[in-house]
Order: sequence, then C-alpha cells, then structure tokens
Amino acid sequence: AQSVTQPDIHITVSEGASLELRCNYSYGATPYLFWYVQSPGQGLQLLLKYFSGDTLVQGIKGFEAEFKRSQSSFNLRKPSVHWSDAAEYFCAVAPGSGNTGKLIFGQGTTLQVKP
Amino acid sequence: GAVVSQHPSWVICKSGTSVKIECRSLDFQATTMFWYRQFPKQSLMLMATSNEGSKATYEQGVEKDKFLINHASLTLSTLTVTSAHPEDSSFYICSARDGRTNTGELFFGEGSRLTVL
Repeated sequence: AQSVTQPDIHITVSEGASLELRCNYSYGATPYLFWYVQSPGQGLQLLLKYFSGDTLVQGIKGFEAEFKRSQSSFNLRKPSVHWSDAAEYFCAVAPGSGNTGKLIFGQGTTLQVKP
Repeated sequence: GAVVSQHPSWVICKSGTSVKIECRSLDFQATTMFWYRQFPKQSLMLMATSNEGSKATYEQGVEKDKFLINHASLTLSTLTVTSAHPEDSSFYICSARDGRTNTGELFFGEGSRLTVL
C-alpha cells in the first residue's frame, strides 16, 4: 500500500535560517508528489508539485523540493525562513495515474519560527 | 488557481442534531469532490469521494449512513453529519480537482470546524 512518512513532527528554526522538511514515500511507480501548507484553522494551500521531468521543482513563497527516486524522498527546502512560514506542512502522494485525486497525506510537520 | 469554498467555516451543534456542510467550486466544474476529516494535530484522512449524479464512494471504516454526501450539481457537494455526537467534532475539508488540467492537483476549501456539544 502507498504511504507517506514525514519523520519530523515538529521543527523549530530561527528566522532567516535555512529549512528542510523531510518526506519519504512508498510507492511502486513514480508517484505524483505534493507539498501543502496549512495555517491554523485554515484549509490547505499547494506549495509545489512534482509529476515528471526536472527533479528539482520550484514553488510559491520561495520553497523548492527535490525528488530523489533512489531515496524515495521529496524533501522541501527554503533558503531563508520568514516568521510567516510558521504553519503545518503536509507531504502528499497521488497514487495510480495521479488523476484519481485521492491524496495520501503524511502526518504533517509543524514548523515554528523563532524571532 | 481554482477556488473551492466551504460553508459554514465553523458550526456548533447539540448532540443528536444533523449538520450540513457545503463545498462549492467557484470558478470551475468539478465532477468529483473529496471529503477529508482532520483531527487536532493530525493529518487529513479521506472519508469519501463525491461523484456528481451518482452515489459517493466511502473509504473503509466510514459510515455512509452517518456521513451523507450529495453531489447534486457540478459545483456543489454537501456533507451531512447525521445525529452528531461529540466524537464527530472535527475539522472537515473538501477538495476538488479541476478537470481542465487533468494533473491530479487538488484545490482545497477553507475547512469547516464542527463542534458537537
């Protein structure tokens, strides 16, 4: 069965520091991969997605993620974190052709930003 | 990007009553919408797939008689929590795929927080 694992439940970084959120997936073929951000009490906003092609994808708000097939990973990075980046981050995979719309989410990583 | 809107954003009800949550795609037609449930500090769990003009498909363990889903038009799906109990208190989020893109990307509503007293 497909699954997504976010090893870090909670991460704290200082404002201006770099950030990397880890995501590992289990899936037989090349999946469609997503990173979403959720502010408290809000819905989800798509940060970026990977379907095929260039393994380094750029997203909104200065985020990027790199797909590494050999490691079954899709880690999210940002060179310099802003206080407004504090939120919950979810990695997700779309199984099958990716057109089912049925996303499988990781457990989420809570990002706290210190001034 | 496409916009999905939910209503109400939050609702408080008494135990035993029913609550309806609406999910609308504002600028596109969605033949399929998805309902997720999120408990505090936890991830989203898919409850059901709402199909326009046909019955919803429920995930294993989700009571279809408890969570009624109706997808009467291409822009509206509703989730009704029947005979709600405190354990139904949760954050319910809907999503829809913009069929024009066919990329599997989902657009999410703002969520609806249900509190059952």
